[in-house]
Amino acid sequence: DAGVIQSPRHEVTEMGQEVTLRCKPISGHDYLFWYRQTMMRGLELLIYFNNNVPIDDSGMPEDRFSAKMPNASFSTLKIQPSEPRDSAVYFCASSFLRAWGNTIYFGEGSWLTVV
Amino acid sequence: QQQVKQSPQSLIVQKGGISIINCAYENTAFDYFPWYQQFPGKGPALLIAIRPDVSEKKEGRFTISFNKSAKQFSLHIMDSQPGDSATYFCAASRPSNFGNEKLTFGTGTRLTIIP
Repeated sequence: DAGVIQSPRHEVTEMGQEVTLRCKPISGHDYLFWYRQTMMRGLELLIYFNNNVPIDDSGMPEDRFSAKMPNASFSTLKIQPSEPRDSAVYFCASSFLRAWGNTIYFGEGSWLTVV
Repeated sequence: QQQVKQSPQSLIVQKGGISIINCAYENTAFDYFPWYQQFPGKGPALLIAIRPDVSEKKEGRFTISFNKSAKQFSLHIMDSQPGDSATYFCAASRPSNFGNEKLTFGTGTRLTIIP
Protein backbone atom coordinates (compact mmCIF):
# COMPACT_ATOMS: atom_id res chain seq x y z
CA ASP A 1 0.00 0.00 0.00
CA ALA A 2 1.15 3.52 -0.70
CA GLY A 3 2.18 5.56 2.29
CA VAL A 4 1.63 9.26 2.84
CA ILE A 5 2.43 11.05 -0.40
CA GLN A 6 3.78 14.59 -0.41
CA SER A 7 4.57 17.00 -3.20
CA PRO A 8 6.74 18.69 -4.13
CA ARG A 9 9.70 16.86 -2.58
CA HIS A 10 11.94 19.87 -3.05
CA GLU A 11 11.11 23.50 -3.66
CA VAL A 12 13.29 26.58 -3.92
CA THR A 13 11.44 29.86 -4.04
CA GLU A 14 12.12 33.53 -3.65
CA MET A 15 11.10 35.50 -0.61
CA GLY A 16 7.59 36.88 -0.96
CA GLN A 17 6.34 34.11 -3.22
CA GLU A 18 3.44 31.83 -2.35
CA VAL A 19 4.28 28.22 -1.55
CA THR A 20 1.76 25.39 -1.61
CA LEU A 21 2.63 21.98 -0.21
CA ARG A 22 0.37 19.03 -0.92
CA CYS A 23 -0.41 15.81 0.88
CA LYS A 24 -2.34 12.63 0.24
CA PRO A 25 -2.83 10.67 3.49
CA ILE A 26 -3.08 6.92 3.78
CA SER A 27 -6.52 5.73 2.75
CA GLY A 28 -8.75 5.06 5.75
CA HIS A 29 -6.86 7.28 8.13
CA ASP A 30 -8.95 9.90 9.86
CA TYR A 31 -6.19 12.11 11.24
CA LEU A 32 -3.89 14.30 9.20
CA PHE A 33 -0.97 16.25 10.64
CA TRP A 34 1.42 18.87 9.33
CA TYR A 35 4.82 19.03 11.03
CA ARG A 36 7.82 21.24 10.41
CA GLN A 37 11.38 20.10 11.09
CA THR A 38 14.38 22.38 11.51
CA MET A 39 17.74 21.94 13.19
CA MET A 40 16.97 24.69 15.69
CA ARG A 41 13.42 23.72 16.70
CA GLY A 42 13.24 20.01 15.90
CA LEU A 43 9.84 18.55 14.99
CA GLU A 44 6.98 20.97 15.53
CA LEU A 45 3.30 20.17 15.08
CA LEU A 46 1.74 22.93 13.04
CA ILE A 47 -1.86 21.78 12.70
CA TYR A 48 -3.91 18.62 12.63
CA PHE A 49 -7.26 17.53 11.29
CA ASN A 50 -9.73 14.88 12.32
CA ASN A 51 -12.18 13.77 9.62
CA ASN A 52 -11.18 16.80 7.54
CA VAL A 53 -11.93 19.26 10.37
CA PRO A 54 -9.07 21.30 11.87
CA ILE A 55 -8.74 20.39 15.55
CA ASP A 56 -5.69 22.28 16.72
CA ASP A 57 -3.83 24.97 14.79
CA SER A 58 -2.00 26.41 17.78
CA GLY A 59 1.33 25.48 16.21
CA MET A 60 0.83 27.54 13.07
CA PRO A 61 3.52 30.20 13.40
CA GLU A 62 1.59 33.15 12.01
CA ASP A 63 -1.12 34.26 9.65
CA ARG A 64 1.12 33.68 6.66
CA PHE A 65 0.50 29.96 7.14
CA SER A 66 -2.79 28.29 6.29
CA ALA A 67 -3.89 24.69 5.87
CA LYS A 68 -6.93 23.09 4.33
CA MET A 69 -8.34 19.62 4.00
CA PRO A 70 -11.17 19.72 1.45
CA ASN A 71 -11.65 15.95 1.50
CA ALA A 72 -10.34 12.79 3.15
CA SER A 73 -7.64 12.24 0.56
CA PHE A 74 -6.07 15.66 0.15
CA SER A 75 -4.60 18.49 2.20
CA THR A 76 -2.57 21.60 1.49
CA LEU A 77 -0.28 23.79 3.55
CA LYS A 78 0.16 27.26 2.12
CA ILE A 79 2.68 29.95 3.01
CA GLN A 80 1.99 33.41 1.67
CA PRO A 81 4.20 35.38 1.55
CA SER A 82 7.17 33.11 2.18
CA GLU A 83 10.23 34.25 4.13
CA PRO A 84 13.74 32.80 4.45
CA ARG A 85 13.00 31.69 8.03
CA ASP A 86 10.32 29.37 6.64
CA SER A 87 13.05 27.19 5.14
CA ALA A 88 12.55 23.74 6.64
CA VAL A 89 11.34 20.24 5.91
CA TYR A 90 7.57 20.04 6.09
CA PHE A 91 6.11 16.64 6.88
CA CYS A 92 2.58 15.49 6.37
CA ALA A 93 1.50 12.51 8.45
CA SER A 94 -1.65 10.52 9.01
CA SER A 95 -3.08 8.02 11.49
CA PHE A 96 -6.32 6.34 12.45
CA LEU A 97 -8.15 6.42 15.74
CA ARG A 98 -7.21 3.74 18.24
CA ALA A 99 -8.14 3.24 21.87
CA TRP A 100 -4.55 3.99 22.81
CA GLY A 101 -1.41 5.05 21.02
CA ASN A 102 -2.14 6.27 17.52
CA THR A 103 0.70 5.26 15.20
CA ILE A 104 1.51 8.27 13.07
CA TYR A 105 2.78 7.55 9.56
CA PHE A 106 4.96 10.26 8.05
CA GLY A 107 5.52 11.11 4.43
CA GLU A 108 9.01 11.69 3.10
CA GLY A 109 8.73 15.44 3.51
CA SER A 110 8.79 18.56 1.37
CA TRP A 111 12.16 20.32 1.54
CA LEU A 112 11.52 24.05 1.27
CA THR A 113 14.22 26.64 0.71
CA VAL A 114 13.25 30.32 0.61
CA VAL A 115 15.98 32.60 -0.74
CA GLN B 1 8.14 25.23 27.04
CA GLN B 2 9.73 21.95 26.10
CA GLN B 3 7.79 19.12 27.69
CA VAL B 4 10.04 16.25 26.58
CA LYS B 5 13.78 16.58 27.09
CA GLN B 6 16.06 14.19 25.19
CA SER B 7 19.73 13.42 25.60
CA PRO B 8 22.35 13.08 24.30
CA GLN B 9 22.14 15.20 21.17
CA SER B 10 24.54 12.85 19.39
CA LEU B 11 25.98 9.45 20.19
CA ILE B 12 28.71 7.32 18.68
CA VAL B 13 28.73 3.62 19.53
CA GLN B 14 30.91 0.82 18.33
CA LYS B 15 29.31 -2.02 16.38
CA GLY B 16 28.03 -4.65 18.78
CA GLY B 17 27.75 -2.20 21.66
CA ILE B 18 24.70 -0.91 23.51
CA SER B 19 23.20 2.44 22.52
CA ILE B 20 21.24 4.27 25.21
CA ILE B 21 19.12 7.37 24.66
CA ASN B 22 17.28 9.07 27.49
CA CYS B 23 14.16 11.19 27.74
CA ALA B 24 12.44 13.01 30.58
CA TYR B 25 8.96 14.43 30.61
CA GLU B 26 7.07 16.91 32.75
CA ASN B 27 3.39 16.33 32.12
CA THR B 28 2.09 13.54 34.35
CA ALA B 29 -0.97 13.25 32.11
CA PHE B 30 1.15 11.68 29.36
CA ASP B 31 0.23 8.03 28.88
CA TYR B 32 1.79 7.06 25.55
CA PHE B 33 5.53 7.07 24.95
CA PRO B 34 6.73 6.10 21.47
CA TRP B 35 10.17 6.20 19.90
CA TYR B 36 10.55 7.16 16.26
CA GLN B 37 13.50 6.43 13.97
CA GLN B 38 14.43 8.72 11.10
CA PHE B 39 16.90 7.98 8.30
CA PRO B 40 18.37 10.82 6.21
CA GLY B 41 15.92 12.07 3.62
CA LYS B 42 13.02 10.14 5.10
CA GLY B 43 10.21 10.85 7.50
CA PRO B 44 10.23 9.49 11.04
CA ALA B 45 8.82 6.00 11.52
CA LEU B 46 7.49 4.36 14.67
CA LEU B 47 10.04 2.03 16.22
CA ILE B 48 8.55 0.95 19.54
CA ALA B 49 6.14 2.36 22.14
CA ILE B 50 5.25 1.82 25.78
CA ARG B 51 2.43 2.68 28.14
CA PRO B 52 3.12 3.80 31.73
CA ASP B 53 1.71 0.72 33.45
CA VAL B 54 4.72 -1.37 32.42
CA SER B 55 8.39 -0.78 33.22
CA GLU B 56 9.91 -2.36 30.14
CA LYS B 57 9.01 -3.35 26.61
CA LYS B 58 11.27 -5.29 24.30
CA GLU B 59 11.05 -5.81 20.56
CA GLY B 60 14.03 -7.61 19.11
CA ARG B 61 17.17 -5.62 19.86
CA PHE B 62 15.18 -2.56 20.95
CA THR B 63 14.01 -2.06 24.55
CA ILE B 64 12.18 0.80 26.23
CA SER B 65 12.76 1.19 29.96
CA PHE B 66 10.20 3.32 31.78
CA ASN B 67 10.43 4.91 35.24
CA LYS B 68 7.13 6.51 36.10
CA SER B 69 8.19 7.97 39.44
CA ALA B 70 11.21 9.67 37.88
CA LYS B 71 9.24 10.65 34.77
CA GLN B 72 11.94 9.21 32.57
CA PHE B 73 12.14 6.66 29.79
CA SER B 74 14.97 5.40 27.68
CA LEU B 75 15.69 3.46 24.51
CA HIS B 76 18.29 0.72 24.57
CA ILE B 77 19.62 -0.76 21.34
CA MET B 78 21.45 -4.01 21.97
CA ASP B 79 24.14 -5.32 19.61
CA SER B 80 24.08 -2.01 17.72
CA GLN B 81 24.62 -2.31 13.96
CA PRO B 82 25.68 0.20 11.29
CA GLY B 83 22.14 0.02 9.90
CA ASP B 84 20.90 1.48 13.18
CA SER B 85 22.65 4.76 12.38
CA ALA B 86 19.80 7.26 12.29
CA THR B 87 18.18 10.01 14.30
CA TYR B 88 15.96 8.83 17.13
CA PHE B 89 13.12 10.84 18.63
CA CYS B 90 11.27 10.13 21.83
CA ALA B 91 7.74 11.44 22.11
CA ALA B 92 4.82 11.56 24.47
CA SER B 93 1.12 12.27 24.36
CA ARG B 94 -1.80 12.47 26.70
CA PRO B 95 -5.32 11.25 26.19
CA SER B 96 -7.82 13.64 24.65
CA ASN B 97 -11.33 13.42 23.34
CA PHE B 98 -9.80 12.16 20.11
CA GLY B 99 -7.22 9.70 21.47
CA ASN B 100 -3.46 10.04 21.86
CA GLU B 101 -3.08 11.86 18.59
CA LYS B 102 -1.05 14.91 19.60
CA LEU B 103 2.58 13.89 20.04
CA THR B 104 5.19 16.10 21.69
CA PHE B 105 8.61 15.16 20.35
CA GLY B 106 12.02 15.36 21.95
CA THR B 107 14.81 17.16 20.13
CA GLY B 108 16.33 14.02 18.64
CA THR B 109 19.56 12.03 19.01
CA ARG B 110 21.81 11.40 16.06
CA LEU B 111 23.20 7.90 16.51
CA THR B 112 26.25 6.72 14.59
CA ILE B 113 27.42 3.12 14.78
CA ILE B 114 31.07 2.70 13.83
CA PRO B 115 32.71 -0.59 12.77
